[in-house]
Amino acid sequence: AQSVTQPDIHITVSEGASLELRCNYSYGATPYLFWYVQSPGQGLQLLLKYFSGDTLVQGIKGFGAEFKRSQSSFNLRKPSVHWSDAAEYFCAALNYGGATNKLIFGTGTLLAVQP
Amino acid sequence: KAGVTQTPRYLIKTRGQQVTLSCSPISGHRSVSWYQQTPGQGLQFLFEYFSETQRNKGNFPGRFSGRQFSNSRSEMNVSTLELGDSALYLCASSPGDRGTGLFFGSGTQLSVL
Repeated sequence: AQSVTQPDIHITVSEGASLELRCNYSYGATPYLFWYVQSPGQGLQLLLKYFSGDTLVQGIKGFGAEFKRSQSSFNLRKPSVHWSDAAEYFCAALNYGGATNKLIFGTGTLLAVQP
Repeated sequence: KAGVTQTPRYLIKTRGQQVTLSCSPISGHRSVSWYQQTPGQGLQFLFEYFSETQRNKGNFPGRFSGRQFSNSRSEMNVSTLELGDSALYLCASSPGDRGTGLFFGSGTQLSVL
């Protein structure tokens, strides 16, 4: 079955430190991949996406991600975390083939930022 | 462009009642999807509409239904509410290009008492 796994439920980093959030996918073929962020009580905001080409992608708010086909991973990174980055982060995947926009989400990683 | 608009923002209902949630997609977007978010189950796909046709449906009972109008606005309905239907319901729109990603509204927080 298609799935997206985020191994870390909760991560705490110090402000100014670097960040890496892990995401692994299980699909028959490389899917479209996305990272979303959600602040409490709010909807999801698209940070970045990947579907082909350069395996390093840049998104909004200083976030980037690296796609590694050999590891079926799509990890989110930020070189220096700001207090305002505290939120929940979701990795999601979409079948490359087919006509649907059905996203499969990971369970999310809650990021806390220490001053 | 205005973002995805969901109304109402909060709803409180009692068991057995029905509820209708509304979603206005980003102008020009023809695909509207609905997701349920709960602490226990996370984000789960309900259904997707494209040009007024449902083109995919998640694993939810028939009490959950939806529709899309000619202006791409969408509604979802839940009949005979159960306590377990308490959740944040998120609507997302997309222009139709699947690689673009989905753009989400702020959601409707439904509480069933």
